[in-house]
Amino acid sequence: GQQLNQSPQSMFIQEGEDVSMNCTSSSIFNTWLWYKQDPGEGPVLLIALYKAGELTSNGRLTAQFGITRKDSFLNISASIPSDVGIYFCAGRRQGNQGGKLIFGQGTELSVKP
Amino acid sequence: DTAVSQTPKYLVTQMGNDKSIKCEQNLGHDTMYWYKQDSKKFLKIMFSYNNKELIINETVPNRFSPKSPDKAHLNLHINSLELGDSAVYFCASSTPLRTGPYGYTFGSGTRLTVV
Repeated sequence: GQQLNQSPQSMFIQEGEDVSMNCTSSSIFNTWLWYKQDPGEGPVLLIALYKAGELTSNGRLTAQFGITRKDSFLNISASIPSDVGIYFCAGRRQGNQGGKLIFGQGTELSVKP
Repeated sequence: DTAVSQTPKYLVTQMGNDKSIKCEQNLGHDTMYWYKQDSKKFLKIMFSYNNKELIINETVPNRFSPKSPDKAHLNLHINSLELGDSAVYFCASSTPLRTGPYGYTFGSGTRLTVV
């Protein structure tokens, strides 16, 4: 099945550093979502993007919907230990019946205090 | 208070057994889903239901049978469990995609281990 290419797969950073991760696809998407998953829990929605070029922030998180509609990125500024977890991008294709989301492989973030 | 709740959280069973996972959402969403997360954390859709009607069946083996008695519930029954069925299964629900906030909410998962 189709996948989104998410990178990097893992990151090990120092507390206070900024983080960037991105997702690319060969297909056009009309919605991009970014989720965070903590161990033993389900993914929790961080940011939703609906329009090409849209830039949206949620606290220290900022995400953008790429102009080509084939990519998106997520930035986390001034990371803190509780940012640890797996971050997933997810996309919804145009004309999608049934609300199916296609997920990236995830970026596992580790933050060293 | 829980938006999407699924039970049980852990399920350990022997090969060949039949088991069910239940899911309920109190968000008033019309669409519910089952996703499977494998050992590499990859999330893939299995089924989508809209107002009790099956919309998506993503080439899942016939041993998996979802049932939606009403739009707030979507259960997953699995027959003749196999080792390869071991995974974390997530229920989710969503609003229709219109303008404004898009709610696509996941439950906390059911970790199924087949031994």
